[in-house]
Amino acid sequence: GAGVSQTPSNKVTEKGKYVELRCDPISGHTALYWYRQSLGQGPEFLIYFQGTGAADDSGLPNDRFFAVRPEGSVSTLKIQRTERGDSAVYLCASSLASGGRYNEQFFGPGTRLTVL
Amino acid sequence: AQRVTQPEKLLSVFKGAPVELKCNYSYSGSPELFWYVQYSRQRLQLLLRHISRESIKGFTADLNKGETSFHLKKPFAQEEDSAMYYCALSGKSGGTSYGKLTFGQGTILTVHP
Repeated sequence: GAGVSQTPSNKVTEKGKYVELRCDPISGHTALYWYRQSLGQGPEFLIYFQGTGAADDSGLPNDRFFAVRPEGSVSTLKIQRTERGDSAVYLCASSLASGGRYNEQFFGPGTRLTVL
Repeated sequence: AQRVTQPEKLLSVFKGAPVELKCNYSYSGSPELFWYVQYSRQRLQLLLRHISRESIKGFTADLNKGETSFHLKKPFAQEEDSAMYYCALSGKSGGTSYGKLTFGQGTILTVHP
């Protein structure tokens, strides 16, 4: 079946602009995660949703970052007033449930964001 | 706070040689440990998890709570094992794992012919 998909695959924007990154999880997966991966680093947790609600948003770096998942499926990560330091690969993952025996996370291909 | 440390950014071995990718963690509770792998031009995928106690593609990893380590081992490396490997931790409380993963910085394994 289809895996996690993310659009766009690449996004180039200018400093100060607003961007939206989209994630389509695997059908039926209730948990959805966003991570950010800077060059030479491992993925860094941003936020995760269980259904429609953000169960843990402790990784969001500041209030310029916001994510939604209004119908419990597709999620959008929104970044306002982008800064050059926001340049990274943004990864999305989904799992059947959060925790327990189903917490294998399946990752998407990522969106590479470049802020000029 | 939870932390995962992979001390080697790069590791090179020859085909048929044993390989060990090191991972140490810091977590005050009871963690669940994973190894994820990313092959060239592919997405990140789960290789193995400590509770499964499985051997996947010849790789094994044992959780050593005394040394807070979860090293990944394979007795005879193959060229197709060349990839980026990430050790990851999920905190656990009351038998239920938390969702978020904390990753190490990753180790690039290169297996030469």
